[in-house]
Amino acid sequence: NAGVTQTPKFRVLKTGQSMTLLCAQDMNHEYMYWYRQDPGMGLRLIHYSVGEGTTAKGEVPDGYNVSRLKKQNFLLGLESAAPSQTSVYFCASRDRGRTEAFFGQGTRLTVV
Amino acid sequence: DAKTTQPPSMDCAEGRAANLPCNHSTISGNEYVYWYRQIHSQGPQYIIHGLKNNETNEMASLIITEDRKSSTLILPHATLRDTAVYYCIAQEGTYKYIFGTGTRLKVLA
Repeated sequence: NAGVTQTPKFRVLKTGQSMTLLCAQDMNHEYMYWYRQDPGMGLRLIHYSVGEGTTAKGEVPDGYNVSRLKKQNFLLGLESAAPSQTSVYFCASRDRGRTEAFFGQGTRLTVV
Repeated sequence: DAKTTQPPSMDCAEGRAANLPCNHSTISGNEYVYWYRQIHSQGPQYIIHGLKNNETNEMASLIITEDRKSSTLILPHATLRDTAVYYCIAQEGTYKYIFGTGTRLKVLA
């Protein structure tokens, strides 16, 4: 049982490049989340999903897109990366009716 | 969702109880209080949650005031491994989790 797995763990992008971060969970959870965490700060919610085929904006959605084509996967896309998107990205999942969220180990992204 | 306020940092001696306060004065009747912690740069880990009754599990105790405007997370016998950033969240429903800036707890040997 792997829980929540994020791919990749590290990435360096040039300004203007695009990339997709993958979050996979094997717990059959309904809800999935993407956060970013900047140095010395708390986590900020980017986008979230309450089920397959649904997505919604969080606190800081600009510059990101998401998709949830399969229940177990939640993808975060950067179409044109900017240095301001340098951050650590965390994915999380929760089951319907449960309160405990499970987090992945993070993706450290640097945009130069 | 109610805004939560926590002190930015606290120290605690190893073996003593660590009491971490959280203010959520605008909390509504349906909002639960959750606590998570983040060790180093790992993903946050769930600790405990409650609505209006005090709660206890193997990790910690949660004390919520009668008016629900504040709560305290208690780690009864803090160890060096409890050094982490602790987040208090007031959340309605089962959708969004909005994190604050948390309290950085340092357990001293």
